[in-house]
Amino acid sequence: SAVISQKPSRDICQRGTSLTIQCQVDSQVTMMFWYRQQPGQSLTLIATANQGSEATYESGFVIDKFPISRPNLTFSTLTVSNMSPEDSSIYLCSVGTSGDIQYFGAGTRLSVL
Amino acid sequence: KNEVEQSPQNLTAQEGEFITINCSYSVGISALHWLQQHPGGGIVSLFMLSSGKKKHGRLIATINIQEKHSSLHITASHPRDSAVYICAVLIYGNKLVFGAGTILRVKS
Repeated sequence: SAVISQKPSRDICQRGTSLTIQCQVDSQVTMMFWYRQQPGQSLTLIATANQGSEATYESGFVIDKFPISRPNLTFSTLTVSNMSPEDSSIYLCSVGTSGDIQYFGAGTRLSVL
Repeated sequence: KNEVEQSPQNLTAQEGEFITINCSYSVGISALHWLQQHPGGGIVSLFMLSSGKKKHGRLIATINIQEKHSSLHITASHPRDSAVYICAVLIYGNKLVFGAGTILRVKS
């Protein structure tokens, strides 16, 4: 199993600022994923964070807007840059372990004013 | 058409009722997850299935690979089961594709 600590759990931010979300796992994992859940919507994959290489972004998401760091096998950060109200969402990290089991962080609820 | 379709979108049940949530998918998968999301946003993985049936307490999940269909059943439902239930399929590259979710409310 894997235990994920994600923080902050929530934040209220001003337009134009940036927020960095942290995801810490209690074991080493190869792949970490960042998702966004906009109000009333299902989860959408933003990017896959791979240790030792650049993150792989899904269509519609770019590195300048959502830079990701993955300095080691237990930690990753997602930054939401130059925020606008449209960025108000829940952001979740997840990890995949052997056997394809997925574990999720508790989520970061972001509100942009 | 979404790759993962869930039904119903909303479900209200009386305490004690037997509940079924359905999930159909149109892509090749290596596994299917049933997830539970509570209002605060946290997601818990209930089941991961690649074939057959799994049971955990009052929850039962089944999958038919040939028909590309899965069901989540809750027996003897309780108000604490109220949550959003999400079907997600694991595709190439260990990526999850999510259904829109089923909002379940169990009334006492």
